[in-house]
Amino acid sequence: AQKITQTQPGMFVQEKEAVTLDCTYDTSDQSYGLFWYKQPSSGEMIFLIYQGSYDEQNATEGRYSLNFQKARKSANLVISASQLGDSAMYFCAMREGRWSGNTGKLIFGQGTTLQVKP
Amino acid sequence: EAEVAQSPRYKITEKSQAVAFWCDPISGHATLYWYRQILGQGPELLVQFQDESVVDDSQLPKDRFSAERLKGVDSTLKIQPAELGDSAMYLCASSLSRDRVGDTQYFGPGTRLTVL
Repeated sequence: AQKITQTQPGMFVQEKEAVTLDCTYDTSDQSYGLFWYKQPSSGEMIFLIYQGSYDEQNATEGRYSLNFQKARKSANLVISASQLGDSAMYFCAMREGRWSGNTGKLIFGQGTTLQVKP
Repeated sequence: EAEVAQSPRYKITEKSQAVAFWCDPISGHATLYWYRQILGQGPELLVQFQDESVVDDSQLPKDRFSAERLKGVDSTLKIQPAELGDSAMYLCASSLSRDRVGDTQYFGPGTRLTVL
């Protein structure tokens, strides 16, 4: 069974500093994708970054990077140079391949609330 | 930039009433998802469409929830009758397909439902 674990319910970071949000996952599938989404208080889910299980390089998108450690089954999100607008809920999600019977749905973690202090 | 549209953004209803939510996916996206998000938790899939066909409704409470995507484009999710426990955020998402693990799902702004 798929499972995503985010152990940090809440995090604080000083503006302009870097912060790491933790995510561990559990799957027996060899092919899977890992996603991070941001959810501000307005409620919309904003896609941030994607890492495929076969990708050899860690994914990066602007100030976001994904620290992918396959053997440890972790996919931590790193936000560099935090901004006040980064204050939001962050969700890690996983999707397994079709051949494992998965229809394509995302399995989400419980989320981490990040607050950026000025 | 193409976006997923949802309406209404907010809905307040009394229990036992019927409610309906609408979603228009990004143009060209064959796969459409409805997720429910209870406050403080991650979203959970209710139903998934591939074009006009349902491919996963295993978590949809079929005694009161129904969903359709008649022409394979926009979709409607209905609850009848609404119960207090249905209060949640209802999120619609779409992706190009469901074939690749990397097919990103893009979400709409959601409908926040409150059942009184």
